[in-house]
Amino acid sequence: DAKTTQPPSMDCAEGRAANLPCNHSTISGNEYVYWYRQIHSQGPQYIIHGLKNNETNEMASLIITEDRKSSTLILPHATLRDTAVYYCIVRPPIQGAQKLVFGQGTRLTINP
Amino acid sequence: KAGVTQTPRYLIKTRGQQVTLSCSPISGHRSVSWYQQTPGQGLQFLFEYFSETQRNKGNFPGRFSGRQFSNSRSEMNVSTLELGDSALYLCASSPGQGAFVETQYFGPGTRLLVL
Repeated sequence: DAKTTQPPSMDCAEGRAANLPCNHSTISGNEYVYWYRQIHSQGPQYIIHGLKNNETNEMASLIITEDRKSSTLILPHATLRDTAVYYCIVRPPIQGAQKLVFGQGTRLTINP
Repeated sequence: KAGVTQTPRYLIKTRGQQVTLSCSPISGHRSVSWYQQTPGQGLQFLFEYFSETQRNKGNFPGRFSGRQFSNSRSEMNVSTLELGDSALYLCASSPGQGAFVETQYFGPGTRLLVL
């Protein structure tokens, strides 16, 4: 599985956009980029995923660079409830193998 | 739809005992995966079940086992508990419709403390 690199921690002011980077320079052409977050001691929550195009849903936007070597998760108007560990995961399209490989993630703290 | 449910939510056991954890997937989901989360090792994949068959397994000793029932509910069992088995055990389900990459949805977890 392609390795991902994320900053260990980030801070963001409440109401501002939180931009979380992820480096995946060894990603293959058919591997997906997935983002999950985990609020303290809860189960990870799915946020968004993409392959090549930028994606947006009600929670966040995912921007993938043209060479696909990095991506950015954007929380447009961060709230205190967005304080969590955010995981960027690269997933190969292997049918019948749905395991997720988690790294250390980015601990995002939203400050009032 | 109701989300993934796990029971019990908290459990205290002593070394040498065994434990069984239960997971009910999202209605209609056929694939269930289990993960262990500890402060030292982070989130690690244990195994995945689909159609009552284990089709993927992580790097854990044989003390860790699981099964899936015909209604897609799953259980995992840990025998001869060790102190290091203290962890948050997470269950995740996905549709199991044959897509190469399916989104997994996690339950709240079972926190196991081994004394």
